[in-house]
Amino acid sequence: QVQLVQSGAEVKKPGASVKVSCKASGYTFISYGITWVRQAPGQGLEWMGWISGHNDDTQYAQKIQGRVTMTKDTSTGTAYMELRSLRSDDTAVYYCARGGDAITSYGYWGQGTLVTVSS
Amino acid sequence: DVVMTQSPLSLPVTLGQPASISCRSSQSLVHSDGATYLNWFQQRPGQSPRRLLYKVSNRDSGVPDRFSGSGSGTDFTLKISRVEAEDVGVYYCMQGTHWPPDTFGQGTKLEIK
Repeated sequence: QVQLVQSGAEVKKPGASVKVSCKASGYTFISYGITWVRQAPGQGLEWMGWISGHNDDTQYAQKIQGRVTMTKDTSTGTAYMELRSLRSDDTAVYYCARGGDAITSYGYWGQGTLVTVSS
Repeated sequence: DVVMTQSPLSLPVTLGQPASISCRSSQSLVHSDGATYLNWFQQRPGQSPRRLLYKVSNRDSGVPDRFSGSGSGTDFTLKISRVEAEDVGVYYCMQGTHWPPDTFGQGTKLEIK
């Protein structure tokens, strides 16, 4: 069965970087992209960006462009989201979701990774 | 970016009664390919979001048939025919027509009266 398993919670100081992983299983990794979505405490869902499964194409939200990099390791079926120059308003649960077409995208989600930015 | 506006933001419902959530987009969600890429998600407390419907009205596998979606252009609706206790949570609409970015509504919190 399809599973997306994310790395554990992180606590970071302002100005630091964080790298969250999302390990996929149960499907052919290169056939689907990975989308990253975050949710600040008590707030709604915010699209962060997407990385293709079969090449290095990425798309990032304008709000975080320049601070975010999404990568992947096809040999292990793992996607990564790195966010730099962290601020307190980056405190959120970060989710990965499987991409694809209209039918398949967002059909599977990771369990979420809480990133807390605090001095 | 396309702005998605949901109403109401809070929805108290009696068990067994119907519920309806509206979602409006700032521009038409009809894609150049003719499809409308409007999804609905449910997020139960403490859980990851779960997709309920895609392309306006197509239910995901395992989603009860009491959930239905309708609408076109800029106006969309999620309906629950008879609310059950397990339906408590926050519901989000999301457009994927004008990607990037995908954009979400603010969320509607459904609670039992």
